This record gives sequence, structure tokens and C-alpha cells, in this order.
Amino acid sequence: GIQVEQSPPDLILQEGANSTLRCNFSDSVNNLQWFHQNPWGQLINLFYIPSGTKQNGRLSATTVATERYSLLYISSSQTTDSGVYFCAAPGAGSYQLTFGKGTKLSVIP
Amino acid sequence: DAGITQSPRHKVTETGTPVTLRCHQTENHRYMYWYRQDPGHGLRLIHYSYGVKDTDKGEVSDGYSVSRSKTEDFLLTLESATSSQTSVYFCAISEGTGGSQPQHFGDGTRLSIL
Repeated sequence: GIQVEQSPPDLILQEGANSTLRCNFSDSVNNLQWFHQNPWGQLINLFYIPSGTKQNGRLSATTVATERYSLLYISSSQTTDSGVYFCAAPGAGSYQLTFGKGTKLSVIP
Repeated sequence: DAGITQSPRHKVTETGTPVTLRCHQTENHRYMYWYRQDPGHGLRLIHYSYGVKDTDKGEVSDGYSVSRSKTEDFLLTLESATSSQTSVYFCAISEGTGGSQPQHFGDGTRLSIL
């Protein structure tokens, strides 16, 4: 099946800093999703992004399907951005989403 | 927020007992999923459903069964719980298959098996 790798595994930021999270996948995909798991354990869908770039406030995501990666940008980070960020992609012809192991982000005041 | 309710939210039980977790949605989505989340393993798919009475296995289905008798409800059953099934369980829904539409998650059930 498809392999999904995320980097870095851990990231500590000062409030106000910018960051880029990366997601690499082993096979071509026709879409990709980014999720945020907050410190209370809730999983929130941030982006559904087959290709190109999408923006939602201080967050934006870019997927380059031909090169098999996606990037999540967080600008002017806030303590509420802390948590774990997951990317997930479906395998070819698969009903299933395969998740990466996540990037744990800690934003400190 | 997607209308997904998981129950119970927390449960502690003993090895060998049956356990049923419930996922209820108000979005009328066709696809429903059960995942487990464990440290070091991330989220792994247990079973999924693509319609009423239509279900299939995911990556880690051994020891679990599911049922979907109505569009809005998807049940996950551990017939005889084992300590290795201690985990956080998430239900998810989507309008389309696999990753063809965004998946939205419930708040999870924390299950401890002693």
C-alpha cells in the first residue's frame, strides 16, 4: 500500500513564528488531506487538497502531486496551533486513507 | 462541525467481556469508518462501511466486527476484549469513498481493558 511520511516529527516554535510541515507519499495520489489533532484529542479536517494551493486564514497547504509531496504552512503561529498535524492519502483504487505518523507542534508564548 | 457523536466517550472494562462502541451521524453521509489511534502507530483503519449493511475490513480488523443497520449508525464490537485493544477509537464519515471527499471525525472513545 501507499506509504506516507511526515517531517519533522517534532517542532517547537516561539509564538509568532512561521513553519512548514512536509508530507511525502510513495505513490501518485488524486487527493490529500491535512488534519489537526488538538491537545484535547479532537481531529479537525484542515484541508482537502488534491493539487495546487489552498488557504484558510493563517494556514495554507500546497500539494504537488507529480512530485508526491504536500506542504502545510503555518504563519504567525499561536499557542492554539499546538497539537499534532497529520496528512493522509488514499491508495490507488482504495477506500482507505493512509495516515502519516504526524508532526507534533508546540507553540510556546 | 460535522454532526458525529460517539458513545460512550470513556469506558473501562475487563478482559474477555464484550464491548460495543456506537457512532451516530446526522449528515446522511454514505461512508463511515472506525479507526484506532495508538502511540507510535498513528491512526489505523479497523473497518469501514459504504452503505447500509455494506462493510469491509481495514488494516487492523482482527478481533473486531461492525454492523450498520441504518445510515446514521455504525457499531463497532469487540466480541471478547483483550488488553491489546486498549486504545482511542475514532469514528469518521465522508460523502465519498476513501479520500475522494473530506473525512470528518468524531471526538473519540477512550477504551481501557484491564
